[in-house]
Amino acid sequence: GEDVEQSLFLSVREGDSSVINCTYTDSSSTYLYWYKQEPGAGLQLLTYIFSNMDMKQDQRLTVLLNKKDKHLSLRIADTQTGDSAIYFCAESNDNAGNMLTFGGGTRLMVKP
Amino acid sequence: KAGVTQTPRYLIKTRGQQVTLSCSPISGHRSVSWYQQTPGQGLQFLFEYFSETQRNKGNFPGRFSGRQFSNSRSEMNVSTLELGDSALYLCASSQQGYTGELFFGEGSRLTVL
Repeated sequence: GEDVEQSLFLSVREGDSSVINCTYTDSSSTYLYWYKQEPGAGLQLLTYIFSNMDMKQDQRLTVLLNKKDKHLSLRIADTQTGDSAIYFCAESNDNAGNMLTFGGGTRLMVKP
Repeated sequence: KAGVTQTPRYLIKTRGQQVTLSCSPISGHRSVSWYQQTPGQGLQFLFEYFSETQRNKGNFPGRFSGRQFSNSRSEMNVSTLELGDSALYLCASSQQGYTGELFFGEGSRLTVL
């Protein structure tokens, strides 16, 4: 079945850039998402990218997609302590619709 | 606009009991999805309802069931609870169609003793 993999942990200093990586196996993935989960809260959609795009930028967030390598990354510029959270990569395809396959999440810790 | 509301937020049950969790989607949203989140398995899709019809179902046993009402509110039920059912159950609503732009509630944390 489909699989989405992420590294478990990332630590950066405030003001630095953070890059969170994700790989997926489903070649029919149509949509790829980044969600954020803060302690005790549900998930919040940060951004998403269609599989026919290479890059998407939204303020401090940049998403890069390498479809050939099935690799997705999220770059957070000027990382702040408020960005500390768990970040989930997820994918779906035209057949799955709102049935998303999530990665295990990357815990981002931002040190002052 | 009110967000996705899940009740109860926390509950404790014992093995063999059953539980019903409720989800009220954002007004105007017709799709409701349920996910189970555990430390070991991560986030796993349970099912999705759209206009009172189950549109997708994840790989969970038949003890897990759900339904959606005409006002788009949804409930999920777990019967014959097992220790492994302890998890955070997240509900998410979506306005329409298949976009994956899900708005999540804060979840119902179920502990099975």
